[in-house]
Amino acid sequence: AQSVSQHNHHVILSEAASLELGCNYSYGGTVNLFWYVQYPGQHLQLLLKYFSGDPLVKGIKGFEAEFIKSKFSFNLRKPSVQWSDTAEYFCAVNGGNTGFQKLVFGTGTRLLVSP
Amino acid sequence: GAVVSQHPSWVICKSGTSVKIECRSLDFQATTMFWYRQFPKQSLMLMATSNEGSKATYEQGVEKDKFLINHASLTLSTLTVTSAHPEDSSFYICSARDPLAGGPSLYEQYFGPGTRLTVT
Repeated sequence: AQSVSQHNHHVILSEAASLELGCNYSYGGTVNLFWYVQYPGQHLQLLLKYFSGDPLVKGIKGFEAEFIKSKFSFNLRKPSVQWSDTAEYFCAVNGGNTGFQKLVFGTGTRLLVSP
Repeated sequence: GAVVSQHPSWVICKSGTSVKIECRSLDFQATTMFWYRQFPKQSLMLMATSNEGSKATYEQGVEKDKFLINHASLTLSTLTVTSAHPEDSSFYICSARDPLAGGPSLYEQYFGPGTRLTVT
């Protein structure tokens, strides 16, 4: 079955540290890739998305992600985190054998940034 | 653009009663909406796909008679949790697609703020 894996369940960083959150998927074929953020008590917000083209995608709030097709990965990065980045981050994928109708989410990574 | 709202944002009900949650697309017409469930500290799990004017498509393991979905208009889908029990307590989130979006954006989903259901 197609799946999305986020291996880091909890990450704790100090402000100004660099961030990289892993996301791997098991789909074959063409995929669309998304990163969402859920701040405490708030709804899901789209950070960035990849459909095609340049595999390095820049999103909001200084986040970026790199699609590496050979590794089935779409890792999220930020060079210098802030306390306000404390949130839960979800990678999501659609496409592959199940088509683009459904979006499958990873298990999420809870990020805590200490001031 | 592409704003999705949900109502109520928070509801408490007694065991055995039914609760209706509304999902609206505010600035676009959504032929397809999705209902997800999120347990505490867990990811979103797709419950069903709601199609305007037709029956919803439920994911495996989701009881269609318990979670009734109606998508009677292009801007409104409702989820009714019937005979709710404490184990139905969860965060319910809807999303919608904009059928007029071009290219792969057609498959991008816009999420509502969620509804927290607590069954006592």
